Amino acid sequence: DGGITQSPKYLFRKEGQNVTLSCEQNLNHDAMYWYRQDPGQGLRLIYYSQIVNDFQKGDIAEGYSVSREKKESFPLTVTSAQKNPTAFYLCASSPRLAGGWEQYFGPGTRLTVT
Amino acid sequence: AQSVTQLDSHVSVSEGTPVLLRCNYSSSYSPSLFWYVQHPNKGLQLLLKYTSAATLVKGINGFEAEFKKSETSFHLTKPSAHMSDAAEYFCVVFDGASGGSYIPTFGRGTSLIVHP
Repeated sequence: DGGITQSPKYLFRKEGQNVTLSCEQNLNHDAMYWYRQDPGQGLRLIYYSQIVNDFQKGDIAEGYSVSREKKESFPLTVTSAQKNPTAFYLCASSPRLAGGWEQYFGPGTRLTVT
Repeated sequence: AQSVTQLDSHVSVSEGTPVLLRCNYSSSYSPSLFWYVQHPNKGLQLLLKYTSAATLVKGINGFEAEFKKSETSFHLTKPSAHMSDAAEYFCVVFDGASGGSYIPTFGRGTSLIVHP
């Protein structure tokens, strides 16, 4: 089955530690996205990528970093510089960046930092 | 520029009664519009999409939405609510197909509560 996988589902970290969230897709999509979701705030875009070795900052990129070394993979690192990292993180992909394509979402990773 | 407003943060209905979730959009181009559903602690699933074909769009699980350009609206409806419809619903606008932003804009979401 084609789809997007995110791991782990739940992640716990101590303050001051960097943590990397995994996102893999086997849909052969060019574009991939990372969103953060907090209660009552909808989805906020962190980073997006339209092709391998290229990525752009979204609305709330501070304290986060990404890489896109393979088409299938778009890992997100939450660094210690992110002031309030506890949230639900969603990865998505679409066939292309432009063109009105719908996005396909992974199941999410809930990160708790204490 | 594109934007989207979901007019209700919460909608409460009884099982078996109609559902109406309201969405207004703004776009300088001919937009694509989407509705997604999210059950607790899950990812988002596409319910339906409008991409300049028929203005009445049918989606999964009995949902449908009507694109009204004159009212800049894309409201989501279902004739009869089921308990399993209780979830968060997101309206999304995207005018990238016609020359606008490359990134979709999400509404803040509407929480649908279904009472037995």
